[in-house]
Amino acid sequence: QKEVEQDPGPLSVPEGAIVSLNCTYSNSAFQYFMWYRQYSRKGPELLMYTYSSGNKEDGRFTAQVDKSSKYISLFIRDSQPSDSATYLCAMSRRDDKIIFGKGTRLHILP
Amino acid sequence: DTEVTQTPKHLVMGMTNKKSLKCEQHMGHRAMYWYKQKAKKPPELMFVYSYEKLSINESVPSRFSPECPNSSLLNLHLHALQPEDSALYLCASSPSTGRGSHEQYFGPGTRLTVT
Repeated sequence: QKEVEQDPGPLSVPEGAIVSLNCTYSNSAFQYFMWYRQYSRKGPELLMYTYSSGNKEDGRFTAQVDKSSKYISLFIRDSQPSDSATYLCAMSRRDDKIIFGKGTRLHILP
Repeated sequence: DTEVTQTPKHLVMGMTNKKSLKCEQHMGHRAMYWYKQKAKKPPELMFVYSYEKLSINESVPSRFSPECPNSSLLNLHLHALQPEDSALYLCASSPSTGRGSHEQYFGPGTRLTVT
């Protein structure tokens, strides 16, 4: 079983819809949970990070962590064509390297 | 300002060439990273510098040689590369390799093609 599992997609949704992106993980020692957005041929951009369980909101983006289920989610409200990108989940223990998911390709259809 | 800059944007080199990639950050971060990313794959960690000292080398071949001249600059020297080394090379920085190591900010990358 891989440490971090993420469905590669592609995921296509109509503009304005709520997008749900998810990852599961196996290592219960992970403490930090991150979401990166990567546009084609660009570097990843840190969207949000969460420490331990709970929710975090930033504008149209909400990150959720459920450590009991080893499951994290990113919700995008009122999705826009400019949200079309690859979304990478990532996680780490303190003082340790980041483990990335494979990324989910998201297409927002105008 | 959460900006990491990288030069050049694109690089084509032959297998006998020597070239260098450069990375710069002015966020006062004390940890800097080199990653390699192949198409449709996540970034793979290559090296970590903490307070200008190499702290992690992920068993990278010696044809890749990192250098950290000061806390704002990171170089990656390339020599005798193979075509399979063609990839997007990403630099990142974080406040530290301790508590701040999860908060990494990436540059736009250098797209390297080895012919």
